[in-house]
Amino acid sequence: DAGVIQSPRHEVTEMGQEVTLRCKPISGHNSLFWYRQTMMRGLELLIYFNNNVPIDDSGMPEDRFSAKMPNASFSTLKIQPSEPRDSAVYFCASSYGRVNSPLHFGNGTRLTVT
Amino acid sequence: AQTVTQSQPEMSVQEAETVTLSCTYDTSESDYYLFWYKQPPSRQMILVIRQEAYKQQNATENRFSVNFQKAAKSFSLKISDSQLGDAAMYFCAYRRRTNFGNEKLTFGTGTRLTIIP
Repeated sequence: DAGVIQSPRHEVTEMGQEVTLRCKPISGHNSLFWYRQTMMRGLELLIYFNNNVPIDDSGMPEDRFSAKMPNASFSTLKIQPSEPRDSAVYFCASSYGRVNSPLHFGNGTRLTVT
Repeated sequence: AQTVTQSQPEMSVQEAETVTLSCTYDTSESDYYLFWYKQPPSRQMILVIRQEAYKQQNATENRFSVNFQKAAKSFSLKISDSQLGDAAMYFCAYRRRTNFGNEKLTFGTGTRLTIIP
């Protein structure tokens, strides 16, 4: 099993540019989560999907952030326009739809907005 | 809302010794799950151990064990025979139990563990 695959691993962009982060969950997992990690705020849930449907997006900071899951094997997190305060590590995680199933995390994307 | 508190930002232990990391949580739910994740410098999040709240027996995974005190809402992690590879950030996490698919994990702020050779 390849695990959760995120791309890119690092992203450096200028303020105002659009950024798209990608995630491929583990095959067979039907829940997908996007987390953001910063020194100040720790690990925050941005949004999560069950069976490709967004369940809770209350953690999405503002309208500049959007996430999609067009099918069971792919999800994107988009920031448009990006700002320096968006600099963070963004994690994608997936799990089975069983109540005690742990989350399996990707290696994260380190985003730097200058 | 559920909250998870890790009151020890940093801990250190001598190699081969035992160390305990603390975690408390706040919830009004009676059924839930608790987890410890490890994040080494590679930044990968690795599941260390998990505990179901309805189980009285403390979970154990090799050198890692937990002390789960449901009434006190406490969930500490004990690492025995500490090894250099145990150096990492450790996060405690909570998940509410439902019958309708998966729920999110709520994380604590983490404890940075240093192993002294």
